[in-house]
Amino acid sequence: EAGVVQSPRYKIIEKKQPVAFWCNPISGHNTLYWYRQNLGQGPELLIRYENEEAVDDSQLPKDRFSAERLKGVDSTLKIQPAELGDSAVYLCASSGPGLNAYEQYFGPGTRLTVT
Amino acid sequence: RKEVEQDPGPFNVPEGATVAFNCTYSNSASQSFFWYRQDCRKEPKLLMSVYSSGNEDGRFTAQLNRASQYISLLIRDSKLSDSATYLCVVNGLSGSARQLTFGSGTQLTVLP
Repeated sequence: EAGVVQSPRYKIIEKKQPVAFWCNPISGHNTLYWYRQNLGQGPELLIRYENEEAVDDSQLPKDRFSAERLKGVDSTLKIQPAELGDSAVYLCASSGPGLNAYEQYFGPGTRLTVT
Repeated sequence: RKEVEQDPGPFNVPEGATVAFNCTYSNSASQSFFWYRQDCRKEPKLLMSVYSSGNEDGRFTAQLNRASQYISLLIRDSKLSDSATYLCVVNGLSGSARQLTFGSGTQLTVLP
């Protein structure tokens, strides 16, 4: 079974430029998460989707970050414009229904460098 | 105060040693607890859940003390392949059953 797929794996951009990250969760997983992980820190939740609905986006900096999951499968996270402090690894994760809902499967992440 | 606090380490131990990691969490209403493992430049992966009665998975033992809001992970007979960052994870801090809050991680290096 394929895991969570993310692209690109690496991205280097200049500040003030836009950037987008894409995620394809594990088939059948209705819950999708976007996290940001800074060096030496644990992942911090940005947004959580249940199917196509964003049910928790309280930590998403809405002035520059946006996300969508139009058909309840793939998702895109966008930053516009990027700032130096946005340099981090952006992780996508998904989880399924039922008893294993707490087990989140992470993708390999997109390592963003803003110069 | 951070919601989930861990000793960042690093812990450098010889092969075969026993090592223990601790974690504290701030919200007594937290529901579920986990340890995730993250290898260098890789994604986090679930290592084990933590139950009130304590649980064991091979060389790994996890314990929870709800009264002290304290979680531990014990690794016996350390292997080189155990070298990684261990993330303490708490569910339910925000009231959501699906939201996990991660600690900053404890780095372990097992030396030959």
